[in-house]
Amino acid sequence: AQSVSQHNHHVILSEAASLELGCNYSYGGTVNLFWYVQYPGQHLQLLLKYFSGDPLVKGIKGFEAEFIKSKFSFNLRKPSVQWSDTAEYFCAVRPSGSARQLTFGSGTQLTVLP
Amino acid sequence: SAVISQKPSRDICQRGTSLTIQCQVDSQVTMMFWYRQQPGQSLTLIATANQGSEATYESGFVIDKFPISRPNLTFSTLTVSNMSPEDSSIYLCSVRSDEQYFGPGTRLTVT
Repeated sequence: AQSVSQHNHHVILSEAASLELGCNYSYGGTVNLFWYVQYPGQHLQLLLKYFSGDPLVKGIKGFEAEFIKSKFSFNLRKPSVQWSDTAEYFCAVRPSGSARQLTFGSGTQLTVLP
Repeated sequence: SAVISQKPSRDICQRGTSLTIQCQVDSQVTMMFWYRQQPGQSLTLIATANQGSEATYESGFVIDKFPISRPNLTFSTLTVSNMSPEDSSIYLCSVRSDEQYFGPGTRLTVT
């Protein structure tokens, strides 16, 4: 079975700082990778996803993530965060071509100070 | 895309009682799922709600505790039975079409 690790439980940054949130997964085969965001009081929404092709994927609101197969990683980045990026971020994985459900990481709470 | 609504949005219940959570999707979907998000933890899949057949439960979850109905392709219910404080959590409905969508969640507090 697959698993996902998010090493940072809580990250606090000032506005305009750069962001990188770590995500590592464990699975022996090909995977689809996702980042979800949950803003305070709102529901989960998809930030970006990787299925195949260019390992650098761009999502909404200036976020991007890079899939490094050799490191089993899919880190989330943003060059300059804003106060409105304060939210909880979840990495998720699913075996490619599978009807199986997503496996989520434990989440990272990002707090951006104005 | 899919827009999901859930009722109720939150509730406070006494231990020993049951609560039924409703999930409505604005389009027909084959796959509907129920997740639990316990305080400070990630999302855990409870079960897959199958239309026309019994739900498929994940390890650690049983039908007697979390009965699920799926009467059609746009609606499902999850009941949390004989509740205890450990059931305090956010319960999320999710569907999978072109991608995975989540409902706003039902925040349940058991006293």
